[in-house]
Amino acid sequence: DVKVTQSSRYLVKRTGEKVFLECVQDMDHENMFWYRQDPGLGLRLIYFSYDVKMKEKGDIPEGYSVSREKKERFSLILESASTNQTSMYLCASSLAGQPQHFGDGTRLSIL
Amino acid sequence: DQQVKQNSPSLSVQEGRISILNCDYTNSMFDYFLWYKKYPAEGPTFLISISSIKDKNEDGRFTVFLNKSAKHLSLHIVPSQPGDSAVYFCAASASTTGSSNTGKLIFGQGTTLQVKP
Repeated sequence: DVKVTQSSRYLVKRTGEKVFLECVQDMDHENMFWYRQDPGLGLRLIYFSYDVKMKEKGDIPEGYSVSREKKERFSLILESASTNQTSMYLCASSLAGQPQHFGDGTRLSIL
Repeated sequence: DQQVKQNSPSLSVQEGRISILNCDYTNSMFDYFLWYKKYPAEGPTFLISISSIKDKNEDGRFTVFLNKSAKHLSLHIVPSQPGDSAVYFCAASASTTGSSNTGKLIFGQGTTLQVKP
């Protein structure tokens, strides 16, 4: 069965901190994605990666960076956390041309 | 600019009746469409998809209809069950930009479906 695991379900950080969100998939998928979900806005793509060390900006990359050193792991980094980055963060993975599989999300609060 | 729109934030139906969730898109390059279901505190799960070469795809109680000329798709759930209560997202991709290989999707805002017993 497909498994996408996000390291934390809930996280509370302070403004200005550097925050790492980790995502691991066990399906050998090429593609991995980071989204944020906000009420009334749906899922918005932050960054995605189609191969190890490859990354592309999504629709809202400002304030974020990503790292993909191994195929199974895709990390989202908030360089200097701000209160407007309080959100639900969702990681997903997929094979080429196939539906994405999502993790259960990390609810991040920036105080 | 919202390329995929779900104009109804919420929908309430009686158990056993039909649920119809709607989605509109603006980008004529989109050629692959998906519906995802999301329960609270869980990630979205894939429900059903349709390619632009079709106008209908059916999977059990779920049917997706695509009207390319109107740039509109809909998800029908028949009969609706209380366990179908969730947020439903439609999503789209455009293979001509290569996004079908990367799997990049554009999501709508979501519609919250409540099925009353």
